[in-house]
Amino acid sequence: DTGVSQDPRHKITKRGQNVTFRCDPISEHNRLYWYRQTLGQGPEFLTYFQNEAQLEKSRLLSDRFSAERPKGSFSTLEIQRTEQGDSAMYLCASSLTANYGYTFGSGTRLTVV
Amino acid sequence: DQQVKQNSPSLSVQEGRISILNCDYTNSMFDYFLWYKKYPAEGPTFLISISSIKDKNEDGRFTVFLNKSAKHLSLHIVPSQPGDSAVYFCAAKISDNAGNMLTFGGGTRLMVKP
Repeated sequence: DTGVSQDPRHKITKRGQNVTFRCDPISEHNRLYWYRQTLGQGPEFLTYFQNEAQLEKSRLLSDRFSAERPKGSFSTLEIQRTEQGDSAMYLCASSLTANYGYTFGSGTRLTVV
Repeated sequence: DQQVKQNSPSLSVQEGRISILNCDYTNSMFDYFLWYKKYPAEGPTFLISISSIKDKNEDGRFTVFLNKSAKHLSLHIVPSQPGDSAVYFCAAKISDNAGNMLTFGGGTRLMVKP
């Protein structure tokens, strides 16, 4: 399977705990994106990388959120001190260039209890 | 402020008939529009797109129409099939946006009845 892989698929955590998600993009794609989707809403942009450089962050990405893409391949998204409002589907996508469409992964569903 | 809106949260259509999904946008800088389809427990998959230099793009059963003056686009599916039942998202972007970020609408759930 050469699509975008996300791990884990589901995560249930207690409020206040830290969580980390992983995304493996399509290998030749140099752009990687994180989006968040809450119930009944469309995906909302969080951040994007071109290779290992994080070039843009949404204001939705509070100080508790950090994303990395250390070698320009896989990426991690960490949420510290989770809150119930962080419960959402976290989607990763990758693309070859700015002119190519995204390929999304299946997402990580986070539930904060 | 929602820049891309899909005002119908759901739509029910009989198999074989036409499905029309609508999308409105407010940002006149958007010049490229996409439709994504999402099944439960899967990520969105790209369906069809249109540049602002065109007013229509067709791909098999799917046609997207763009009315720039009205800042409105629509997706037509003819004939509709039960396998088309999914959530459809409209998305828009500014082409010279180096980041290629998309702004999505809230989605319309399409149900095609056999």
